[in-house]
Amino acid sequence: AQSVTQPDIHITVSEGASLELRCNYSYGATPYLFWYVQSPGQGLQLLLKYFSGDTLVQGIKGFEAEFKRSQSSFNLRKPSVHWSDAAEYFCAVGPYSSNTGKLIFGQGTTLQVKP
Amino acid sequence: NAGVTQTPKFQVLKTGQSMTLQCAQDMNHNSMYWYRQDPGMGLRLIYYSASEGTTDKGEVPNGYNVSRLNKREFSLRLESAAPSQTSVYFCASSAQLAGGPYEQYFGPGTRLTVT
Repeated sequence: AQSVTQPDIHITVSEGASLELRCNYSYGATPYLFWYVQSPGQGLQLLLKYFSGDTLVQGIKGFEAEFKRSQSSFNLRKPSVHWSDAAEYFCAVGPYSSNTGKLIFGQGTTLQVKP
Repeated sequence: NAGVTQTPKFQVLKTGQSMTLQCAQDMNHNSMYWYRQDPGMGLRLIYYSASEGTTDKGEVPNGYNVSRLNKREFSLRLESAAPSQTSVYFCASSAQLAGGPYEQYFGPGTRLTVT
């Protein structure tokens, strides 16, 4: 069955430090992969997506992610974290089927940024 | 261009009461989705509508009904609310990108408490 795992429920980093959020997936076909961010009390906003081509993708707010097929991973990175990056981050895989666009979401990782 | 809008933002119900959550999108998307978000559970799909006139069950449909009123609007109804339905509800919509995946756009959410 298709699934997405975010092994880290909660991560704390210092402002200015680098960040890596892990995402592992189980998917039968070549996956389409997404990272979303949710600020407190807000909806989800797309950070970046991968569906083909270069395995290193750039997103908004200085984030990037690398698709590694051999490891079934799509980890999110940022070289220098800002206090405003504190939020919950969701990895998602899809589409589940070609005509519905359903996504499967991970459980989320909460990022806390220390001053 | 408002994107995806949801009403109400907050709601408190007593057990057994009914209510309808409203969702509308102005992006001419074919597909729409209802999710619930609970701590540690990520986003779970309740129902989705791949196109106007069709609806299908997602992962957790029990206790809910939906109506795809037209291409823009997709409502979620709780016929007899239960405390287990206390959650944050998100509506999303998507359209297939040319040759690529379905990117979902999310509304701001409805925070529902059932007492």
